[in-house]
Amino acid sequence: EAQVTQNPRYLITVTGKKLTVTCSQNMNHEYMSWYRQDPGLGLRQIYYSMNVEVTDKGDVPEGYKVSRKEKRNFPLILESPSPNQTSLYFCASSFVRGSNEQFFGPGTRLTVL
Amino acid sequence: DQQVKQNSPSLSVQEGRISILNCDYTNSMFDYFLWYKKYPAEGPTFLISISSIKDKNEDGRFTVFLNKSAKHLSLHIVPSQPGDSAVYFCAASRSDSGAGSYQLTFGKGTKLSVIP
Repeated sequence: EAQVTQNPRYLITVTGKKLTVTCSQNMNHEYMSWYRQDPGLGLRQIYYSMNVEVTDKGDVPEGYKVSRKEKRNFPLILESPSPNQTSLYFCASSFVRGSNEQFFGPGTRLTVL
Repeated sequence: DQQVKQNSPSLSVQEGRISILNCDYTNSMFDYFLWYKKYPAEGPTFLISISSIKDKNEDGRFTVFLNKSAKHLSLHIVPSQPGDSAVYFCAASRSDSGAGSYQLTFGKGTKLSVIP
């Protein structure tokens, strides 16, 4: 089944404790992206990657890191999480030619205390 | 500056009636538009799209209309069903951008409630 998977789905952590949210897709998509969804703010892009070893900042990159060492994986790293990073996070992927349709993962609900 | 705007945070419609969700954009370089549907505890899923060379695209109960001169698009759901209750996001992209046509700019979403 074609899908984007994220782990963990739910995470409660404390300020300053490094964490990684994994994202993996099995559709051979070149493009991958991370978004955060906050009430009243919609979906805002954090980082994106056009292909392996190619990443770039989105609209709200502060406090986040990403890496793209393999085509299928695009982990989101919070080196020192803060309460303002409490949010719902989505990973998405797509091809870079043809349809613009992005496929989204199920989301990761992160709470930083 | 919000380039894609969904000015109605919520909408309630009776089952069987038409639901009309609206979206406005400010960037005239956008040339491809998509609607996504999101249920609670799930990721957004693609619903329907339209290219700027068209003014209408239909898929079953869902129709998207594009008015380029007004920089406005709308999603019509006819007839509305309780299972359509979800948050709907409008998104736009521009094929001439350096990052290619795969970068999407999203609106804030409209929560649709279809009342049985």
